[in-house]
This record gives sequence, C-alpha cells and structure tokens, in this order.
Amino acid sequence: EVQLVESGGGLVQPGRSLRLSCAASGFTFEHYTMNWVRQAPGKGLEWVSSVSWHSGRMVYADSVKGRFTISRDNAKKSLDLQMNSLRPEDTALYYCAKDMTPVSYGSGKDHWGQGTLVTVSS
Amino acid sequence: SYELTQPPSVSVSPGQTARITCSGNGMSNQYAYWYQQKRGQAPVLVIYKDNQRPSGIPERFSGSASGTTATLTISGVQAEDEADYYCQSADSDASSVFGTGTAVTVL
Repeated sequence: EVQLVESGGGLVQPGRSLRLSCAASGFTFEHYTMNWVRQAPGKGLEWVSSVSWHSGRMVYADSVKGRFTISRDNAKKSLDLQMNSLRPEDTALYYCAKDMTPVSYGSGKDHWGQGTLVTVSS
Repeated sequence: SYELTQPPSVSVSPGQTARITCSGNGMSNQYAYWYQQKRGQAPVLVIYKDNQRPSGIPERFSGSASGTTATLTISGVQAEDEADYYCQSADSDASSVFGTGTAVTVL
C-alpha cells in the first residue's frame, strides 16, 4: 500500500524558515517524480514544486521560486521542501503527491498524503 | 506557465448529468487529469490521460478532451459525488498546473 506522510508544519513568523518532509513507502520511490501541492484555507489547489526521479530536474511555481528548495533522498525514500523567507500568503495545507507515471514529468498525481499545515503569522 | 479555467460551480439533481469544463491554451498538447476533493480530505484522482479511469473509480465518471478544453462528465450523479473537482495538466517545462476548481452541488 502506498503511503505518504508529511511532517514539519507549524506556526512560523514572516521571514523565517521551515522545512517540510514527506516519508514514502509502498512503491519504488526512485522511479517517480514527486511533488508538493498546497491549498490555502478555503482556496483551490496550487502546484508548488516537483523533483524528478533522479533529482536531475527541479521546477517551482513562480510564487515560491528563489525562496523554496525541493530535494529528495532516494535511499531514505523521503522528500523535503525547504521554505525560506516565508510570507503570510504561504499559509496553506501542504500536500506531498506522487506522479502516477514512472520516469516522466507532469503526469497525474495518483497518491497524496494527508497534508501538513503551515501558518505564517506574527 | 498558463492558466486552467473552470466554472466556479455546477448544480445538478440526483440522477442527472454534470459536466465540468477546463480550458487553457497549454492543454492542446498535454493530457488532462481530474481530481475529486471532498471536504476535509485529500484529493483523489478520478480521470487520467484525458479519459482513463483509475481502478476503483465508478463508471459514471468519464472524461474527454478536444483542442484546448477538457471535460469531466458525471453521469447519473449521486449525493456522494458532491465535492470540489480540479483539472490538472502539465507545462512544457515539466511543471504542473491546476485548474481553478469547480464545486459540484447535488440538489
């Protein structure tokens, strides 16, 4: 059974940093692009970032480019999101999601975690 | 990147058909994916590659695509189908883009 478990969320002041993690199990982690998707309270889904199966390609939404860094450790089957210079508009539930098609980009996300809540407020 | 536009809401009576569109200039050469999100839950993939249904998704969910528009159709809507629905596609730089979302209300 595929499982994705996020951690690391919490309350943080504007301008500070936070690191999110996602622990994966139940599939061949190193074959799939992994993603972070967020959802602000009462709003829609927003793609944040993706990292390819071999870490050779990382892409970011314009809203987080230069502030967030995605990374993965295939040996540990983990996905991280380092978030710096946080802003109130980064407040959201952050989901870890797995691409459905191996060794590809931008495919559908067939498994999602339950999310970790990040609140940016003074 | 480009935007994917969906109607904010769709209302349908039980047993009727709901159709949700998703339009965007970048969709003409990319697949469309559809997600259902019920209140307080993570999204669930209901259609992939324009018109394929994952295992476990009821047959009343179907998808189609033409040009720059994709459509999710729910035939014989049931009360349990009340949820938010999002389309998603890919951009040329390997990023992903989600639609604006549609709230489906079953009357």
